[in-house]
Amino acid sequence: KNQVEQSPQSLIILEGKNCTLQCNYTVSPFSNLRWYKQDTGRGPVSLTIMTFSENTKSNGRYTATLDADTKQSSLHITASQLSDSASYICVVTPFYNTDKLIFGTGTRLQVFP
Amino acid sequence: GAGVSQSPSNKVTEKGKDVELRCDPISGHTALYWYRQRLGQGLEFLIYFQGNSAPDKSGLPSDRFSAERTGESVSTLTIQRTQQEDSAVYLCASSLYPGQFDQPQHFGDGTRLSIL
Repeated sequence: KNQVEQSPQSLIILEGKNCTLQCNYTVSPFSNLRWYKQDTGRGPVSLTIMTFSENTKSNGRYTATLDADTKQSSLHITASQLSDSASYICVVTPFYNTDKLIFGTGTRLQVFP
Repeated sequence: GAGVSQSPSNKVTEKGKDVELRCDPISGHTALYWYRQRLGQGLEFLIYFQGNSAPDKSGLPSDRFSAERTGESVSTLTIQRTQQEDSAVYLCASSLYPGQFDQPQHFGDGTRLSIL
């Protein structure tokens, strides 16, 4: 069983709509949780980083939330744009090994006009 | 450029051949990481460097894989006697310091390796 699981595996939405991506993790204790965006054929790019004590972090139209009690995080995208089409990856940093990030398999988002 | 650079961007080789992948991290970044991304799967940690030393080699899949870093800069990942299961995208990332919670890892665009 993966230590970081994401849902849905893929998602299709229309331009302008909002969407929410989910991440459940079992890594414990953890230092921080990150969301990355990965365009096709490119490396991942950091969107947000939240420590275990933070509940929410925003970056433009992206808002990440974290519930450390239930070990769940979500990434909410507001007013989606065509350029939001990408894979979104949830990444958890173990507390005792902060250089060995644990990656989810990602949610593939497609935004259509 | 200011980002992490990897070369080649694509590599096709025959089974059994050796390949060498190169990573140029962001200047001044002391930590450097190698990951493997198989089709449809999450990134898999391979190895990380602090300066020129590799404190954690636990992710290397087999003794066919090796990596080195010189001058606290360029790193090469070498795969000997390649197998078809080595086909994947190999991503390199760097960060200013290791283990810093607020320091994101900056990724290159990867080398897509295909073993025939």
